[in-house]
Amino acid sequence: EAQVTQNPRYLITVTGKKLTVTCSQNMNHEYMSWYRQDPGLGLRQIYYSMNVEVTDKGDVPEGYKVSRKEKRNFPLILESPSPNQTSLYFCATTSGRTYNEQFFGPGTRLTVL
Amino acid sequence: GQQVMQIPQYQHVQEGEDFTTYCNSSTTLSNIQWYKQRPGGHPVFLIQLVKSGEVKKQKRLTFQFGEAKKNSSLHITATQTTDVGTYFCAGPTGNQFYFGTGTSLTVIP
Repeated sequence: EAQVTQNPRYLITVTGKKLTVTCSQNMNHEYMSWYRQDPGLGLRQIYYSMNVEVTDKGDVPEGYKVSRKEKRNFPLILESPSPNQTSLYFCATTSGRTYNEQFFGPGTRLTVL
Repeated sequence: GQQVMQIPQYQHVQEGEDFTTYCNSSTTLSNIQWYKQRPGGHPVFLIQLVKSGEVKKQKRLTFQFGEAKKNSSLHITATQTTDVGTYFCAGPTGNQFYFGTGTSLTVIP
């Protein structure tokens, strides 16, 4: 079954404590990206990756890092989380370029106190 | 930066009424996609439109892509309670992907 998995699903942390949200897909897709969803703002792209070892900033990259060492995994790293990063995060993947349907993970709800 | 706005932000309808959400991009999009997100869920792809002026139908849902490829609409005929959720338009510019602000639909039985 085609899947995008994210872990953890829920996380409450404190300001400054480094955290990683994992994302994995089993569809052999090249393109992966991270979004944050905030009320009234829709989904905003944080980072995306066109392929292994290729990552680029999206619209709201400040305070985030990513890596793409393997095709299936695309972790999101918050090295020093702040309260304004409290949000709902989605990982997504699509085959080829950005022109195709995106498949989303179940989401990670992050609260930074 | 690029913006994709949707109106209305919220819509409450009586079951059986029609519903329309409008999507406007500040720049031309190579294609437009529509997603539905149920409460507590993740966005799920509904459809993609590529050609200027294109119209596609999925049962009670009608999707349009504007002539200038900067706007789009989703119309639902005779809403049902299963239509509840937030509808997003989205489109790529270069290698980035831009989502609309979303329209949250509530259907009152």
